[in-house]
Amino acid sequence: GEDVEQSLFLSVREGDSSVINCTYTDSSSTYLYWYKQEPGAGLQLLTYIFSNMDMKQDQRLTVLLNKKDKHLSLRIADTQTGDSAIYFCAVVKTSYDKVIFGPGTSLSVIP
Amino acid sequence: ETGVTQTPRHLVMGMTNKKSLKCEQHLGHNAMYWYKQSAKKPLELMFVYSLEERVENNSVPSRFSPECPNSSHLFLHLHTLQPEDSALYLCASSPEGTSGTAKNIQYFGAGTRLSVL
Repeated sequence: GEDVEQSLFLSVREGDSSVINCTYTDSSSTYLYWYKQEPGAGLQLLTYIFSNMDMKQDQRLTVLLNKKDKHLSLRIADTQTGDSAIYFCAVVKTSYDKVIFGPGTSLSVIP
Repeated sequence: ETGVTQTPRHLVMGMTNKKSLKCEQHLGHNAMYWYKQSAKKPLELMFVYSLEERVENNSVPSRFSPECPNSSHLFLHLHTLQPEDSALYLCASSPEGTSGTAKNIQYFGAGTRLSVL
């Protein structure tokens, strides 16, 4: 399979929580990132987690890492219409020391 | 403002034209990247420059020619493009050479939306 996989679409109601999932293949990945791309813009780093952590919280964002299952998730609490965007998971492929991006999950927030 | 500026933001060109995309970063980074983002396809890494030397070229057709005259500027020269080359071209930079997370965090420009007629 691909190095990094994500569901392509997610739709939630305003005020609900959003959970965007990502799976990866390289178990030795050291850093894992979440980027956000708003319409007409480039990618912007949202948050990252180091592989020796299980969880990281930053205001409305919570990142969970399950190293055993090679699963990363991004939870957005109290989702707002301004959160509508494409969210990319990215991991460092340690054998090449380069960043591999997932295909992106398009989040639609319904008012 | 991410510190990475791309021009032009939009470009329409015919298949016989020659044009260039420009990227400039004001972050003091040493590595710069070109990506292609097409509808319904994953982000494709095209070229990587580190300390002004090309370190990666991912089987990109020769009608795309990158140039990195210094660590702050990156160009993508285009000639004899095909309609399937229409896409959003993103430039990014990263610190490179630093330890910890900072090395791999990439800062993206807003992209150039290219349409080939």
